[in-house]
Amino acid sequence: EDQVTQSPEALRLQEGESSSLNCSYTVSGLRGLFWYRQDPGKGPEFLFTLYSAGEEKEKERLKATLTKKESFLHITAPKPEDSATYLCAVHTNTGNQFYFGTGTSLTVIP
Amino acid sequence: DAGVTQSPTHLIKTRGQQVTLRCSPKSGHDTVSWYQQALGQGPQFIFQYYEEEERQRGNFPDRFSGHQFPNYSSELNVNALLLGDSALYLCASSRDSRYEQYFGPGTRLTVT
Repeated sequence: EDQVTQSPEALRLQEGESSSLNCSYTVSGLRGLFWYRQDPGKGPEFLFTLYSAGEEKEKERLKATLTKKESFLHITAPKPEDSATYLCAVHTNTGNQFYFGTGTSLTVIP
Repeated sequence: DAGVTQSPTHLIKTRGQQVTLRCSPKSGHDTVSWYQQALGQGPQFIFQYYEEEERQRGNFPDRFSGHQFPNYSSELNVNALLLGDSALYLCASSRDSRYEQYFGPGTRLTVT
């Protein structure tokens, strides 16, 4: 069964304290893995797409990496404005389906 | 460049009623997907439309149906509303299903 699991569910960081969010997936065939940021009551905002193991993408304080079984979203020296829920999603080859994880709620304390 | 737009923003319906939600995709996008997001959960894939046809469907009952128009805009229809249908309904558009999806702000549906 195709599945996406994100950990931790919630994370509290001090401003400047770097950390990583995890997205592990079990799918029959991966077309792509996506990271989104979602603020309360709003639609997800696209961050990154990763297509193959070993691929890395960076944007400001965020860096996403991909292996054959999981992806990491590394946050370097976070700021309070990085507080949000970060969602991981996979697009599968079989059935052309999209599966989201339940997200990691990140709070960055000044 | 306007992003993905959805209407209405909020909606309150009574159990058993029917509802129609609307979505206009981002300029240049031809594929529209619909998601249901319950509070505290990740979005769940309902279905995807491309060239005015339903291309893929998630695990949702036939009460959920949709339509895509020649201008690529889309509608989501839900019949015989249940209390459990209360959620944020998200529309996402993409340039073909192979590429990243861009989401609209969502429609908050409350069923009483």
